[in-house]
Amino acid sequence: NAGVTQTPKFQVLKTGQSMTLQCAQDMNHEYMSWYRQDPGMGLRLIHYSVGAGITDQGEVPNGYNVSRSTTEDFPLRLLSAAPSQTSVYFCASSRGVWDSPLHFGNGTRLTVT
Amino acid sequence: KNEVEQSPQNLTAQEGEFITINCSYSVGISALHWLQQHPGGGIVSLFMLSSGKKKHGRLIATINIQEKHSSLHITASHPRDSAVYICAVRTSGATNKLIFGTGTLLAVQP
Repeated sequence: NAGVTQTPKFQVLKTGQSMTLQCAQDMNHEYMSWYRQDPGMGLRLIHYSVGAGITDQGEVPNGYNVSRSTTEDFPLRLLSAAPSQTSVYFCASSRGVWDSPLHFGNGTRLTVT
Repeated sequence: KNEVEQSPQNLTAQEGEFITINCSYSVGISALHWLQQHPGGGIVSLFMLSSGKKKHGRLIATINIQEKHSSLHITASHPRDSAVYICAVRTSGATNKLIFGTGTLLAVQP
């Protein structure tokens, strides 16, 4: 039972570089989302998807891009990394759109220098 | 003022103690989640509730919708319970978003 798999676990980027954080789930969940976790703040929603082919912006979408070509995968792209994007990123999925338990990946710790 | 407030922010307990972590919110909600995050680790969903009380092993979660308050209780605490406990609420109505508290860091000493 893999659940939600995030890769990589750690990443260091230089300012201006781009990269993709991978997220895959094997539970056939419709809802997937990306959060960032910063010290002293609650998790903040970056982007979310309610099904394949459908994505929408969350609270802090600037500088990030997503796509959902399959039910299983929901990659997060950093277009041009900035130090302000240094954070821990979590992918999550749930069976229903709103009131179902959330399943989180193990997180990606990203440092932008 | 944050829409979801947790207290205390930090809590140290001795093994075996009964622990209570509180969550207060100021918005209308359809559900409340309790999550657990071990240091350097992922986040695990403990409970999702919209009324009353739920129990799983040594963990109990309660919610009072009228008072906009939820508590997470840990009975017979153990060092392996040391983690950050996060409260999150799903807002009701048109906004329908998930708002997270900043977490309570619990350390259980042997």
